Amino acid sequence: GQQLNQSPQSMFIQEGEDVSMNCTSSSIFNTWLWYKQDPGEGPVLLIALYKAGELTSNGRLTAQFGITRKDSFLNISASIPSDVGIYFCAGQPRGSNYKLTFGKGTLLTVNP
Amino acid sequence: DADVTQTPRNRITKTGKRIMLECSQTKGHDRMYWYRQDPGLGLRLIYYSFDVKDINKGEISDGYSVSRQAQAKFSLSLESAIPNQTALYFCATSDSGRSSYNEQFFGPGTRLTVL
Repeated sequence: GQQLNQSPQSMFIQEGEDVSMNCTSSSIFNTWLWYKQDPGEGPVLLIALYKAGELTSNGRLTAQFGITRKDSFLNISASIPSDVGIYFCAGQPRGSNYKLTFGKGTLLTVNP
Repeated sequence: DADVTQTPRNRITKTGKRIMLECSQTKGHDRMYWYRQDPGLGLRLIYYSFDVKDINKGEISDGYSVSRQAQAKFSLSLESAIPNQTALYFCATSDSGRSSYNEQFFGPGTRLTVL
């Protein structure tokens, strides 16, 4: 079945630094989504990508849909303390109109 | 103002008890989902519903049942809770009528502990 490999598992950075995380798979996905989860809360959708090669920004966040349709990355520029949380990628496998496969998350810690 | 609400937010129960988790949404979405989240395992789909009369099992439905009482309400039941059902449970919704139908929106979660 489709599985997503998300890396890194965790990151410890200083405020102001840029961050990059990615998800890869051996399977093709039609959609890539990036979520953030704060402690005690549900995942919140940050960015949605629908086309191979698509590059989309949301404030300091930028995400790209890989050309091969098997990967995606998320960049956060000039990190701030409120960026702390767990970031998840999710992909919609080719042939499904509802299913999302989730990565296991990247735990981001930002030191002020 | 929350679009997707879940009750209760926290629940501690004993093995063998019947538990119901409830989800309501004001987003007007037709599709609703139940997931559980475990450390190191990510989010896994328990059940999903495309509308009131269309309910389907996800990848880990054993030990769970659901009811779609209305388009806006989707409840998850554990008929006889067991300790390995201790987890965070999330409800999510999506709108099949839009081109962005893959985007799922999550509730705040229910933390369930089975002793």
